[in-house]
Amino acid sequence: QSVLTQPPSASGTPGQRVTISCSGDNSNIGTNTVNWYLQLPGTAPKLLIYNINQRPSGVPDRFSGSKSGTSASLAISGLQSEDEADYYCAAWDDSLNGVVFGGGTQLTVL
Amino acid sequence: QVQLEQSGTEVKRPGSSVKVSCKTSGGTFSSFPISWVRQAPGQGLQWMGRIIPILDIANYAQNFQGRVTITADKSTSTAYMELSSLRSDDTAVYYCASDRGASAGSYSAYWGQGTLVIVSS
Repeated sequence: QSVLTQPPSASGTPGQRVTISCSGDNSNIGTNTVNWYLQLPGTAPKLLIYNINQRPSGVPDRFSGSKSGTSASLAISGLQSEDEADYYCAAWDDSLNGVVFGGGTQLTVL
Repeated sequence: QVQLEQSGTEVKRPGSSVKVSCKTSGGTFSSFPISWVRQAPGQGLQWMGRIIPILDIANYAQNFQGRVTITADKSTSTAYMELSSLRSDDTAVYYCASDRGASAGSYSAYWGQGTLVIVSS
């Protein structure tokens, strides 16, 4: 059981816009920033979004993040087949004094 | 470019310990925290703890308190994660990551390739 809650799956067709939600509480998302990671099958996770809405160098601006209260969202516009991956949200939890992850969302491009 | 190179696959017996290494290059090792994250087969990511090498201070996830020890050797820019009293459900890929940002606002910017640890009798 993950501390942050994500839908287990999401899907969209090429060119569509897809959003993935991440729900927490006041000890994590409500107080701290949110990060998103992408993981392709058989590979290590990769930083996708940090500090809610910042993109590391090399990440296309099709990816964007937002936060409201105790929830956060990752939006992917202009969906492409190579976006098919697992997506994880993460945040520091003040009560647990550590990083907590969402359970991950498997994105399928139809 | 920051790179993290982890040690190879380990096969361990239940009740034993494993120590995984993570050698960093291309950055300032001491200044940035190194986190350890594991992923059981078909499961999500689970944070285990992290160390700030320059302070030699580590903190651990509650789930692993008493079983995990994270250390850092500044002379070789290498971090280590040792997990004891291994059980079959510790079978997982273990990742190290180099964090950026300040404490609660930190994020894992660079990741190692992962080390598979298999616990089996």
